[in-house]
Amino acid sequence: QVQLVESGGGVVQPGRSLRLSCAASGFTFSSYGMHWVRQAPGKGLEWVTVIWYDGSNKYYADSVKGRFTISRDNSKNTLYLQMNSLRAEDTAVYYCARDGMECSGGSCKGDNWFDPWGQGTLVTVSS
Amino acid sequence: EIVMTQSPATLSVSPGERATLSCRASQSVSSNLAWYQQKPGQAPRLLIYGASTRATGIPARFSGSGSGTEFTLTISSLQSEDFAVYYCQQYNNWPYSFGQGTKLEIK
Repeated sequence: QVQLVESGGGVVQPGRSLRLSCAASGFTFSSYGMHWVRQAPGKGLEWVTVIWYDGSNKYYADSVKGRFTISRDNSKNTLYLQMNSLRAEDTAVYYCARDGMECSGGSCKGDNWFDPWGQGTLVTVSS
Repeated sequence: EIVMTQSPATLSVSPGERATLSCRASQSVSSNLAWYQQKPGQAPRLLIYGASTRATGIPARFSGSGSGTEFTLTISSLQSEDFAVYYCQQYNNWPYSFGQGTKLEIK
């Protein structure tokens, strides 16, 4: 079955760095764009960043632009989020999610909803 | 940036009754709208995409409607497992954006 498993969360001091991973299984990882979405404690969902299925395009929310970097290794079926210069307001559960568009052989079908989601990993930025 | 506004913030409904949740976009998102359900301690789950298409495995009591700037999620006969927080999300323009959520609680 399709599965996404995040890891790498933890407690980190302000200004430090952390790298999250999202291991994918049960589908052709290299055919799908991937997103990171976060949720601060008791708050709603905030889209963070996306990477195209082939890594050719990346977009970021203004709140993380210049500090966070999304990447992927299609040979390892793994998505990453490198988070630098962390701030208290980055404290959240970070979810990876698969994009709804499947691309293969130069053609794509579907659209950009998010399904499925991983179980999330908690990042706490605190001194 | 497109702002998504959901109403009401909290909706109290009795089991077996109908629930109607609203989502408004600050500009047209065509039909590029999804609805997600989130239960405490769990990841969100896709319910509806394309404003009105149920995702795989979603019961028929869930239905979505609307286009442009006004959207509705209707749950026809609430079951106990439906009490959760519901989010709408537009995927028409970057940055993709979510509504603030509607908490559906038992009356």
